[in-house]
Amino acid sequence: AQSVAQPEDQVNVAEGNPLTVKCTYSVSGNPYLFWYVQYPNRGLQFLLKYITGDNLVKGSYGFEAEFNKSQTSFHLKKPSALVSDSALYFCAVRDRNTDKLIFGTGTRLQVFP
Amino acid sequence: GAGVSQTPSNKVTEKGKYVELRCDPISGHTALYWYRQSLGQGPEFLIYFQGTGAADDSGLPNDRFFAVRPEGSVSTLKIQRTERGDSAVYLCASSLLAASTDTQYFGPGTRLTVL
Repeated sequence: AQSVAQPEDQVNVAEGNPLTVKCTYSVSGNPYLFWYVQYPNRGLQFLLKYITGDNLVKGSYGFEAEFNKSQTSFHLKKPSALVSDSALYFCAVRDRNTDKLIFGTGTRLQVFP
Repeated sequence: GAGVSQTPSNKVTEKGKYVELRCDPISGHTALYWYRQSLGQGPEFLIYFQGTGAADDSGLPNDRFFAVRPEGSVSTLKIQRTERGDSAVYLCASSLLAASTDTQYFGPGTRLTVL
C-alpha cells in the first residue's frame, strides 16, 4: 500500500536561514511526488512535483525538493526562509496505477523574524 | 484564470439533516476529485470523476455519501443523515486529464459542522 510520512509535526526556523521539511514515501512502483502548502482557512496550493528526470525539482516561491530513490525521500527545501512562508505543508504521492493522492499528516512551518 | 470554486464556504447543520456541497472545477478540466480533511490530518480521498462518471468511489465512507457530476463539469457531494463525525473540511480538486502525473488543483474547501 502507498503511504507518506512526515516525521515532524512542526519545524521552526529563523528568517533568512535555510529550511527543510522532511517527507518519506512508500509505493510499489515509480513514485510521483507532490508538495502542497495550506494557509489558514484556504485550500491547498501546489508548490512542485517530481515525475521523472532531474532529482532536484524547483517550484513556486523559491522552494525546491530533492528526490532520493535510495532513501525513499522527497524533502522540501528553501535556501532562505521568509516569515510569509509560515504555513502547513503537505507531501503527497501517487503511482501510475493510482488516481488519488495519498497525503502525509502535514508539517507546520513557523518562521520567526 | 479562475481556479476551483466551492460553495458554501461554511455549512452548519444538525445531526440527521441532508447537505449538498458544490464544486466548480477549472474550465476544461476533465478529472474532478473530492477529498475530506479532518482536523490535524492530511486530506483523504473520497471519490474521483473522469467526465460524468465516477471512476473510483472507493474512499466514500458509507452509503450516506454520494456524488454526481451530471454534465462533466460541476459536481455535488451529497451527505444524507449527517453525523457529528462527518464534520470536516471537504476539498475539491480538478486536473486537466486523469493521468497520474497531472497536477491536481484544489479549491478553498467547504467547512462542514454537524451539531
